Amino acid sequence: QSALTQPASVSGSPGQSITISCTGTSSDVGGYNYVSWYQQHPGKAPKLMIYDVSNRPSGVSNRFSGSKSGNTASLTISGLQAEDEADYYCSSYTSSSTLRVFGGGTKLTVL
Amino acid sequence: EVQLVESGGGLVQPGGSLRLSCAASGFTFSSYSMNWVRQAPGKGLEWVSYISSSSSTIYYADSVKGRFTISRDNAKNSLYLQMNSLRDEDTAVYYCARDGITIFGVVKYYFDYWGQGTLVTVSS
Repeated sequence: QSALTQPASVSGSPGQSITISCTGTSSDVGGYNYVSWYQQHPGKAPKLMIYDVSNRPSGVSNRFSGSKSGNTASLTISGLQAEDEADYYCSSYTSSSTLRVFGGGTKLTVL
Repeated sequence: EVQLVESGGGLVQPGGSLRLSCAASGFTFSSYSMNWVRQAPGKGLEWVSYISSSSSTIYYADSVKGRFTISRDNAKNSLYLQMNSLRDEDTAVYYCARDGITIFGVVKYYFDYWGQGTLVTVSS
């Protein structure tokens, strides 16, 4: 069981928007602005998409955005494209002894 | 260009040991904290261990504490993971991942670069 909770799957049609949630506790997501999101295509290494809740690294499309409310962070992808189909993971700093935690991952299907 | 290249994976029997390496290039390795993250076949990502830039601070996931040891050699631009008492559930692709950093050298808690991973299979 992962420390952060994500939906197992989400889907959307090209051009639509989707949101993936990531729920933690006040010891991780809710307590710090250190939530990050990663995209992983099959057989590939994860890629950083969002850091510090809502910041995009250079080169990441502005169709990707992040937010947080309380103990739940969200990743929104607007204008869905076929190449967005992938697994998405959230991660957070945690004040527990383990320092870092991941969500269980969400499989995004572009219909 | 930042590059992280893992090596050392392979097939090992339960109870055995393995040492993973991660060769870093394209950045000042000694300025960055580093991590190991693993992914079991068909499963999600699991953070394994963290080491600060100077090796002064180290953390482990509960699942590997007491069995795995993270280390680094800044002179060789290399990160290591010594894995002992391996179990079936340690079977996974192991990635090394760099932590972000501010322009002032403050560690940021996200993984900005990842290697391609090395597969560790624990099986009899």
